[in-house]
Amino acid sequence: DTAVSQTPKYLVTQMGNDKSIKCEQNLGHDTMYWYKQDSKKFLKIMFSYNNKELIINETVPNRFSPKSPDKAHLNLHINSLELGDSAVYFCASSQDRTWDTEAFFGQGTRLTVV
Amino acid sequence: AQTVTQSQPEMSVQEAETVTLSCTYDTSENNYYLFWYKQPPSRQMILVIRQEAYKQQNATENRFSVNFQKAAKSFSLKISDSQLGDTAMYFCACQGIQGAQKLVFGQGTRLTINP
Repeated sequence: DTAVSQTPKYLVTQMGNDKSIKCEQNLGHDTMYWYKQDSKKFLKIMFSYNNKELIINETVPNRFSPKSPDKAHLNLHINSLELGDSAVYFCASSQDRTWDTEAFFGQGTRLTVV
Repeated sequence: AQTVTQSQPEMSVQEAETVTLSCTYDTSENNYYLFWYKQPPSRQMILVIRQEAYKQQNATENRFSVNFQKAAKSFSLKISDSQLGDTAMYFCACQGIQGAQKLVFGQGTRLTINP
């Protein structure tokens, strides 16, 4: 049983297309995240949701829209894809308690925009 | 807000040697967590070790231990008896407790263990 699962693992698409990445966690966690890892391996937070409510939006372009239908799912939709969007996108989840705050990561989705 | 700096882009050691990865951080919070994550070629992010800032005792997990110097804002990772499977990118990260919780990562250190 995978704790945090993302689909697809790989996504190759043309500039201008719209695509979605799905994420699901079966850990019962309250908080889910999207992180972006660029070509230099630098990881940075994009969004965070707590119980379906957006709590972090780190100056991400409006073309990126997270959607959380319930607290076990956080999907990432990207409109009008650009070459610079090519990266690995990681979903993660954690239980929002100060004494138990380890984040569990999905396996990542490598997005390549051509 | 937090910032994390890893000053060693790459390191390479022989199998069975001990290696230390450096990390410094800055935060305005009094209480926070520090982490080391490992990212092997499989791309999976794996938690190696965690340290609560209010605990003075350095965290240890089998061959992995940290040297946490709170006043100096330093959090280094020591890997003893290194193994080929330790070859990976290693990321230091900081997470505050107040407000919205997020991991702030360093730039990473690519560690290669040579046979």
